[in-house]
Amino acid sequence: SQQGEEDPQALSIQEGENATMNCSYKTSINNLQWYRQNSGRGLVHLILIRSNEREKHSGRLRVTLDTSKKSSSLLITASRAADTASYFCGGSNNDMRFGAGTRLTVKP
Amino acid sequence: EAGVTQSPTHLIKTRGQQATLRCSPISGHTSVYWYQQALGLGLQFLLWYDEGEERNRGNFPPRFSGRQFPNYSSELNVNALELEDSALYLCASRTRGLNTEAFFGQGTRLTVV
Repeated sequence: SQQGEEDPQALSIQEGENATMNCSYKTSINNLQWYRQNSGRGLVHLILIRSNEREKHSGRLRVTLDTSKKSSSLLITASRAADTASYFCGGSNNDMRFGAGTRLTVKP
Repeated sequence: EAGVTQSPTHLIKTRGQQATLRCSPISGHTSVYWYQQALGLGLQFLLWYDEGEERNRGNFPPRFSGRQFPNYSSELNVNALELEDSALYLCASRTRGLNTEAFFGQGTRLTVV
């Protein structure tokens, strides 16, 4: 069974705009990790947020975690065409499960 | 430091054959995860190995199996291949601990014809 479920499935924005993606998960987790995937290749790790953290920043990325709602969001500020990719969230206990991802398209 | 490496990059097999995919984790990582990603879809959890033992498996038939070797590298075997097995197979590794990052390889593209 999947752990993370991303929303929306697809998102299209203009360069410079912010992009927000949401993730819901089903069971309790130790942490939640966000990844980017370009053109069907391997996943690149973006950020890990622990279950006792509420918000975390990394460059243009901001991740929030609400364990009471079992949800997380990923905000990419001042998006660039190079941010075009699929984004996945994975809930981690010991194993890691992912959702179907959000396909982000940033138009130049 | 070398990342997670997977081989082969591409694999073409005929229906009914067996496929073997390999994964070498990052040095020091003891856990290896396998995922299947059909075209345009999400990652489906296949198997988790840690310290040479299978710790958990996803909702896949028994013809999907694997093992982890003493050097923590891993092998995924798919028997009696079906057309629906065509997918990108991704391997990830992480070190021991509750809050450690997992790193992915570039995947093996398996095509069953």
